[in-house]
Amino acid sequence: QVHLVESGGGVVQPGRSLRLSCEASGFTFFSNGMYWVRQAPGKGLECVALISYNGDNKYYADSVKGRFTISRDNSKNVLYLQMNSLRAEDSAVYYCAKPYSGNYLEPFDIWGQGTIVSVSS
Amino acid sequence: EIVMTQSPATLSVSPGERASLSCRASQSISGKLAWYQQKPGQAPRLLIYAASTRATGVPARFSGSGSGTEFTLTISSLQSEDFVVYYCQQYNNWPLTFGGGTKVESK
Repeated sequence: QVHLVESGGGVVQPGRSLRLSCEASGFTFFSNGMYWVRQAPGKGLECVALISYNGDNKYYADSVKGRFTISRDNSKNVLYLQMNSLRAEDSAVYYCAKPYSGNYLEPFDIWGQGTIVSVSS
Repeated sequence: EIVMTQSPATLSVSPGERASLSCRASQSISGKLAWYQQKPGQAPRLLIYAASTRATGVPARFSGSGSGTEFTLTISSLQSEDFVVYYCQQYNNWPLTFGGGTKVESK
């Protein structure tokens, strides 16, 4: 069975850093591009980062460019999101998501359960 | 960035009736439109992709249509579990963008 399990969320002060992880199982992780998507409390959905299957290509939303870094370890089946210089507006549930057939620019057929990030002083 | 606009924000429908949700893109997205359902406290679930193809396991009462910049999700006969929030998403360009959502509530 295909699973994505996020971890690493928590409460952090503005300006500090946090690293999220997403453990994948049940599919060929190394052949899939992967996404991070976030949802602020009571709000809609925002794609924040995309990484290619081999990690060579990375794309970011303008709202996080220069502060967030997406990466992956295909030997461990883990996706990461390093979040630096956190702001109050970064508070959200962060989901990792798998594209339908692993390529870029596809809908997401598998989502994790999400991990909550709260940025507050 | 392609802006996705969903309407209405809230739709009040009686159980067993039909619901039609709209989604408009700010530019053509070549049919690369998906619909998701989100229940409270859960991650979104893919319902429709390529504007009209149902994802695996999605009941036949859910259907999608449209092209160009105008798209519709239709739920033919609302069941109790369908009264939740629905999002459209374009995946033609990065960044992939979502509409603001339509909440379907029971009348």
